[in-house]
Amino acid sequence: DAGVIQSPRHEVTEMGQEVTLRCKPISGHDYLFWYRQTMMRGLELLIYFNNNVPIDDSGMPEDRFSAKMPNASFSTLKIQPSEPRDSAVYFCASSLAGTGAKETQYFGPGTRLLVL
Amino acid sequence: GEDVEQSLFLSVREGDSSVINCTYTDSSSTYLYWYKQEPGAGLQLLTYIFSNMDMKQDQRLTVLLNKKDKHLSLRIADTQTGDSAIYFCAEVNSGNTPLVFGKGTRLSVIA
Repeated sequence: DAGVIQSPRHEVTEMGQEVTLRCKPISGHDYLFWYRQTMMRGLELLIYFNNNVPIDDSGMPEDRFSAKMPNASFSTLKIQPSEPRDSAVYFCASSLAGTGAKETQYFGPGTRLLVL
Repeated sequence: GEDVEQSLFLSVREGDSSVINCTYTDSSSTYLYWYKQEPGAGLQLLTYIFSNMDMKQDQRLTVLLNKKDKHLSLRIADTQTGDSAIYFCAEVNSGNTPLVFGKGTRLSVIA
C-alpha cells in the first residue's frame, strides 16, 4: 500500500482565498483524522471520521474550516476564506480502529500551508 | 478533556542516552505510544506499551511506565544524529475517544 496520500504537499496562497487540502487514506481503514501542527500549539486534532461520517469536529477552529468525506477513499479539508494564522502543516491520518483500542494511526506526509 | 504534557526541547551529545518524559491525566489509559516525526515528514509509530506493563525494551529504546504517577518515559541509548526528531507521547483509553497526543519534544543530537 502507498500509505496515506495527501495533496498538495505545499500550498502558498493569499489571504481571503479558498484552500482545499486532500487526503486518500489507506485502503480498508475505517477512521480518518485531520490534524494541524504549529510551533505554538503543537499537534491539534481538528476532526475525525468513522466510516465516512464525522464523529467529532470540536477541534475545528472556526466556521471557515469544513471537512468532508464523500467516500471511503477520499477526504477534503477546506478553509474559506483563508487567513495568515491558518499557516501550518496539516496532516491526515487513518487507522483501522479509532478509539479505545491498540491501533496505530498512519500519518500522511502533510500539507505545508502558507497564507500570505 | 484529557491532557498529555511533554517538555518541548531536549539536547544531548551523540553517544549519550536521551530520556524524553511525558505525563498524562487519563487514569483509564489502556495504551501509551511514542511517535517520531522526522524533519519534513509525518508522524510514525515508534513503540507502544500496554498499561499493565511497566517496561518495554526494543533494541536501543526503553519505555518505562509509572501508572501510579501517570508518567511515561522513552530512553534512547547511544543516541545518534539520526535520532534528531520530534517525539510525541500519546495515549488512548477504553472509551470512545481517539488518541490524545502531547505537543512533542524536539530532540537535538549534537555531534
